[in-house]
Amino acid sequence: EVQLLESGGVLAQPGGSLTLSCEASGFTFSSYAMTWVRQAPGRGLDWVSSISGSGGNSYYADSVKGRFTISRDNSKNTLYLQINSLRAEDTAVYYCAKAGYCTSTSCPPEHWGQGTLVTVSS
Amino acid sequence: EIVLTQSPATLSLSPGERATLSCRASQSVSSYLAWYQQKPGQAPRLLIYDASNRATGIPARFSGSGSGTDFTLTISSLEPEDFAVYYCQQRGYWPLTFGGGTKVEIK
Repeated sequence: EVQLLESGGVLAQPGGSLTLSCEASGFTFSSYAMTWVRQAPGRGLDWVSSISGSGGNSYYADSVKGRFTISRDNSKNTLYLQINSLRAEDTAVYYCAKAGYCTSTSCPPEHWGQGTLVTVSS
Repeated sequence: EIVLTQSPATLSLSPGERATLSCRASQSVSSYLAWYQQKPGQAPRLLIYDASNRATGIPARFSGSGSGTDFTLTISSLEPEDFAVYYCQQRGYWPLTFGGGTKVEIK
């Protein structure tokens, strides 16, 4: 059974930094692209970033480019999202998701974690 | 970036009725469009990928169609558990984008 467990969500101050983690199990982690999607309170889904199975290719939404860094450690079956220069508009539930059905980095996520809440406020 | 416009914003229907949801892309995304269902407090669930392919375990009452810029998600006969918010997402171009969502509510 595929399981994705996010952690690292906190109440953080504007301008600060944090790192989200997503521990994966139940599948061959290195074989699948992974994605972060966020959802601000009461709002829709917002694609943040995706990374290939090897970690060699990564992509970002324009709104986070230069501030967010996606990475993965295939030896630990863990996905990361480092967030710098936090802004109030980064407040959201951040979901980790696993690609399904194809090998492309853009493959639509089939399995999702339950999310971790990041709140940015002074 | 490609903008996905979903309509209507809200669809009020009764159980047993047919639901037709639309997603229009600002430029062609070929068949690289997915549909998700999300219920309150839950993670999204993949329903349809690449315009018309049902994901694993998705009931046959859910179907997707379209290509290029115009896509449709059809629920042939609404079950009580289908009342939720539905999102489309394109993977034709980076950055990937989601539509704003359609809420299917009980009339």
